[in-house]
Amino acid sequence: NAGVTQTPKFQVLKTGQSMTLQCAQDMNHNSMYWYRQDPGMGLRLIYYSASEGTTDKGEVPNGYNVSRLNKREFSLRLESAAPSQTSVYFCASSELGGLAGYNEQFFGPGTRLTVL
Amino acid sequence: LAKTTQPISMDSYEGQEVNITCSHNNIATNDYITWYQQFPSQGPRFIIQGYKTKVTNEVASLFIPADRKSSTLSLPRVSLSDTAVYYCLVGDTFSIGNEKLTFGTGTRLTIIP
Repeated sequence: NAGVTQTPKFQVLKTGQSMTLQCAQDMNHNSMYWYRQDPGMGLRLIYYSASEGTTDKGEVPNGYNVSRLNKREFSLRLESAAPSQTSVYFCASSELGGLAGYNEQFFGPGTRLTVL
Repeated sequence: LAKTTQPISMDSYEGQEVNITCSHNNIATNDYITWYQQFPSQGPRFIIQGYKTKVTNEVASLFIPADRKSSTLSLPRVSLSDTAVYYCLVGDTFSIGNEKLTFGTGTRLTIIP
């Protein structure tokens, strides 16, 4: 079980360039999330997907788009990168809450993105 | 959305018990309290979750008073490897996507040899 995997691990972009961050999970989880973490700060939710085919905005969605390609994969796209998007990006997945009583989120190792 | 308040940082010596308190005055009836741990250059990792009274697992204990307006994460006999940032989160885990979960700045715990 690989858990949650993210590619790439590191990326440097120039302002205005575009790129897609990939995330995959092998735990058959319904929900997937994208967060960003700026230095010395907590995580902020960018987008999430409660199930295959659905996506919703989180706290800081501007400048990003997402695609829930299938149940396993959830990608994050920066169409025109800006220096303000320099951050560490984490993908996470979880089992839908409900009768289980809780909803533990499993995180990937992160992608460290620098925009010059 | 229940806001949480926790100390910015704490220091403790190896072998001691560490208690980190989180305040959440506006916690809602359906909200659960969850704690995550984050090591440098890694994603957060779930530690423990509870609704009321006391919850214990192999890693930590979580104490929640009857009014649920605060909670305390207790780490028994800490070691250097417990140095990390600890986040207290409050949210309705029955809500789809858990969009109400917000990671604050957390408590930076440093264990001193």
